[in-house]
Amino acid sequence: AQKVTQAQTEISVVEKEDVTLDCVYETRDTTYYLFWYKQPPSGELVFLIRRNSFDEQNEISGRYSWNFQKSTSSFNFTITASQVVDSAVYFCALSEVGTYKYIFGTGTRLKVLA
Amino acid sequence: EAGVAQSPRYKIIEKRQSVAFWCNPISGHATLYWYQQILGQGPKLLIQFQNNGVVDDSQLPKDRFSAERLKGVDSTLKIQPAKLEDSAVYLCASSVGRQGKSYEQYFGPGTRLTVT
Repeated sequence: AQKVTQAQTEISVVEKEDVTLDCVYETRDTTYYLFWYKQPPSGELVFLIRRNSFDEQNEISGRYSWNFQKSTSSFNFTITASQVVDSAVYFCALSEVGTYKYIFGTGTRLKVLA
Repeated sequence: EAGVAQSPRYKIIEKRQSVAFWCNPISGHATLYWYQQILGQGPKLLIQFQNNGVVDDSQLPKDRFSAERLKGVDSTLKIQPAKLEDSAVYLCASSVGRQGKSYEQYFGPGTRLTVT
């Protein structure tokens, strides 16, 4: 069965600190996609990144970076030099190819304090 | 490009009443999803449409929830009769949904339902 675990329920950091959000997944499929979404207080989920199971290259986008490791079934998300605007709930999701169905984790609430 | 539109944004009803939510996906997106997000949890898929056909409704409580996507564009989700435990945010999302790949889903702002 597919499963996504985000063990960190809530993290608080002081502005400018780096923070890593963990995501561990389970799937029997060899081909799958992983996603990260941000849900700010306004409530709308914002797409951040998609990664397929054949691409283990790490990705960097500005202050955001993602570390995908198939050996440990993890897809972690790091925010460098965090800002107050990064405060949100972050969700990791797994998708089976062909069904387009997402399995979401329970989310990690990030609080960045000024 | 316009995003996913949903209405209403907020709704308060009494238990046993009925309610309907509307969603207009991004133009050209074949796949449409309805999710239920209870406070403090991740979104849970209720139903998935590919064009105007249902792909997955395994988690839809069919005794009280119904959804349709006429003409493969707009969609409505209805609850009748509502229960207290239906209080949640109902999210609509859409994606390109081309065969063989999983594309990112784009979410609307959601409808916050409170059942009293």
